[in-house]
Amino acid sequence: NAGVTQTPKFRVLKTGQSMTLLCAQDMNHEYMYWYRQDPGMGLRLIHYSVGEGTTAKGEVPDGYNVSRLKKQNFLLGLESAAPSQTSVYFCASSLGQRNSPLHFGNGTRLTVT
Amino acid sequence: EDQVTQSPEALRLQEGESSSLNCSYTVSGLRGLFWYRQDPGKGPEFLFTLYSAGEEKEKERLKATLTKKESFLHITAPKPEDSATYLCAVQAAGAQKLVFGQGTRLTINP
Repeated sequence: NAGVTQTPKFRVLKTGQSMTLLCAQDMNHEYMYWYRQDPGMGLRLIHYSVGEGTTAKGEVPDGYNVSRLKKQNFLLGLESAAPSQTSVYFCASSLGQRNSPLHFGNGTRLTVT
Repeated sequence: EDQVTQSPEALRLQEGESSSLNCSYTVSGLRGLFWYRQDPGKGPEFLFTLYSAGEEKEKERLKATLTKKESFLHITAPKPEDSATYLCAVQAAGAQKLVFGQGTRLTINP
């Protein structure tokens, strides 16, 4: 039981390049989330999904797209990376029931030069 | 707008020196308040959920309490392995997402 797995762990992009971050969970959770964590800003929600085939915007969705084609996977895409997207990205999942806690992956550290 | 403010930003204690971390919040109807621990290079790890004012939860040297405006994480006789960043988050009634505070970075010196 691996929990929430994120790939890759580290990535360096040049401005304008694109990439996809993959999140996989093996806990049969309904809800999945993508957060970014920046110094002094805390965790901010980018996009989330309440079930297979659904997605919704969070606090800071601009410049990102997501897809949830399978229940266990949640993909975060950057179509044209910008230096402002340099951050640590965390995926999380939860059962979706009242007050069920989030289970986080160990993050992807992305640098955009 | 739902908001969470944690204080202090950083706290250094000697091993065995008890203290408390604060989480102040404003939310339109509290569904739950969550505490997480985050070690360097890792994702946050769930500690507690509190649902209503007056509730308390304990785990080893940690005890979380909740009032209508704030939550405290009390650390009793801490050890160096308690060093981490502690995050507080709230979930509003009817919301599917959590709003996080900026965290308190706790360092316990041996």
